[in-house]
Amino acid sequence: DAGVIQSPRHEVTEMGQEVTLRCKPISGHNSLFWYRQTMMRGLELLIYFNNNVPIDDSGMPEDRFSAKMPNASFSTLKIQPSEPRDSAVYFCASRGLSSYEQYFGPGTRLTVT
Amino acid sequence: GDSVTQMEGPVTLSEEAFLTINCTYTATGYPSLFWYVQYPGEGLQLLLKATKADDKGSNKGFEATYRKETTSFHLEKGSVQVSDSAVYFCALSASGSRLTFGEGTQLTVNP
Repeated sequence: DAGVIQSPRHEVTEMGQEVTLRCKPISGHNSLFWYRQTMMRGLELLIYFNNNVPIDDSGMPEDRFSAKMPNASFSTLKIQPSEPRDSAVYFCASRGLSSYEQYFGPGTRLTVT
Repeated sequence: GDSVTQMEGPVTLSEEAFLTINCTYTATGYPSLFWYVQYPGEGLQLLLKATKADDKGSNKGFEATYRKETTSFHLEKGSVQVSDSAVYFCALSASGSRLTFGEGTQLTVNP
């Protein structure tokens, strides 16, 4: 199994630009989670999906952030427009039915200048 | 709401030293408890878990016991190695869905 796949691994963009982060969960997993990790705030849950449906988006910082899961094998996290304070490592994780364990991807390191 | 509190880091030890990283939690009901480890440049990996009171989770020489009376889940290892250098996160799941993480504790093991 390839594990959770995220792309790109690194993204550098200028303030005001649109950024799209991508995630492919483990095949057969029905829950998907997006996290943000910073030195100041630690690991924060942004949003999670069950069976492609957003369940809890209370962690999404503001309207500039949006996430979609059009099918069971793909999800995106979009930031538009991006700001320097969005610089962080963004992780995607997936979990199978009736399982406690979340499997994390390698993360996308985003730098907004 | 649910919360997890870990001992402040960073923690620096010599190889073969004993490790304890404290973790306490606040949650409604009976949460499941976890320790995740993050090696440099990687995502988090599940290290061990316990799903009910008095359960002991163990893996790779690490252990943690679910103590309901003290709402704790302290991580221990009898003899650390340089390769254990990483960030360790305590976490809980009270609803079976989302995880609530602690702040993370950076461990550095020197040869």
